[in-house]
Amino acid sequence: AQTVTQSQPEMSVQEAETVTLSCTYDTSENNYYLFWYKQPPSRQMILVIRQEAYKQQNATENRFSVNFQKAAKSFSLKISDSQLGDTAMYFCAFMKLQGGSEKLVFGKGTKLTVNP
Amino acid sequence: DAGITQSPRHKVTETGTPVTLRCHQTENHRYMYWYRQDPGHGLRLIHYSYGVKDTDKGEVSDGYSVSRSKTEDFLLTLESATSSQTSVYFCAIKATRVQGPGNTIYFGEGSWLTVV
Repeated sequence: AQTVTQSQPEMSVQEAETVTLSCTYDTSENNYYLFWYKQPPSRQMILVIRQEAYKQQNATENRFSVNFQKAAKSFSLKISDSQLGDTAMYFCAFMKLQGGSEKLVFGKGTKLTVNP
Repeated sequence: DAGITQSPRHKVTETGTPVTLRCHQTENHRYMYWYRQDPGHGLRLIHYSYGVKDTDKGEVSDGYSVSRSKTEDFLLTLESATSSQTSVYFCAIKATRVQGPGNTIYFGEGSWLTVV
């Protein structure tokens, strides 16, 4: 079974600075996707960024980028120019490709606080 | 917005009573999921569906049943609610490449259930 580990339960960063959230995963699969979801205090689960394992290029979405190290099974999220609205729980998730019955496996999350 | 509506959004119920949560989607998604979120556990899969009348168990399915009699609705039932089922429940869908980034899961806004 796949597992996802987020080793930082809580982190904080000053507004406008850069922060990196860590995620490692364990799998023997070769075809999979990795995701970062953001959960603000409203508890809505918002997709931040998505990475396909067969793509070597790291995904980016505006201020959000990932460092995907497939051999090391590492998938960290970098938030640049942090904003107060980035304060949220961040969840790393893994999805194995299995012919349609794909399911997400989540880490336990990192609580990020952006300080003014 | 993946066109997902959960109801009820908040419910308080007594131990031993049956409870049904409804997930309604308007975009003809084939795959639908129910997750629960608890402190210290992240999100865990309860059940999922890969088509009308086609469902399967997730990692925490004990005490829950599901039904999908039509594409747009996926119902989660607690046959006899217990205090351990107090949680936030999220419905989700998997988008296809036609609907957006393929193999990406989007979430509803969540249903808060308290069992007293």
